[in-house]
Amino acid sequence: DVKVTQSSRYLVKRTGEKVFLECVQDMDHENMFWYRQDPGLGLRLIYFSYDVKMKEKGDIPEGYSVSREKKERFSLILESASTNQTSMYLCASSFGLDEQFFGPGTRLTVL
Amino acid sequence: GNSVTQMEGPVTLSEEAFLTINCTYTATGYPSLFWYVQYPGEGLQLLLKATKADDKGSNKGFEATYRKETTSFHLEKGSVQVSDSAVYFCALIRGGRRALTFGSGTRLQVQP
Repeated sequence: DVKVTQSSRYLVKRTGEKVFLECVQDMDHENMFWYRQDPGLGLRLIYFSYDVKMKEKGDIPEGYSVSREKKERFSLILESASTNQTSMYLCASSFGLDEQFFGPGTRLTVL
Repeated sequence: GNSVTQMEGPVTLSEEAFLTINCTYTATGYPSLFWYVQYPGEGLQLLLKATKADDKGSNKGFEATYRKETTSFHLEKGSVQVSDSAVYFCALIRGGRRALTFGSGTRLQVQP
């Protein structure tokens, strides 16, 4: 059974804190993605990675960075969390241009 | 650039009613088209897809046909159930960009 897991379902942080969101996939997929989901806006791409140590900016990369040191793991980093980064964060993985598999999401609240 | 437009919700239906959720897209060339569903408290899962014009994707009683001439991929189901209550996202993937472009999502509420 294919699986994408995210380190936390719910997270509460304070403004200015450094935040790490972790994602792990067990399907040996080359591509991994971080999306942000907000009501009325759908999902927007923050960053994606097509190989270890390779990354590309998505549509809304400001305030975020990513790390992919191993093929199965893709981390999203908020260097200094702000209240406008309160959102649902979804990780996904895929092979080529095929179907993307999503994790359950992390609901982040920044106070 | 690529974009996806889908009807705003929420859509509220009674059980066994017919469902249509409209989706239109803008993209160059021939994108692949998807419908994803998000049940309460869960991540997204693929519902169906179509990769070329006139293809029909189908799954769990849902269908959508890739219409190049109208740049549309409307989702339909003949008889909805309470268990179909969820948020539905239309999306596309095109060419060298491996990430999906999503619509804003349509919430479906089915009442018994």
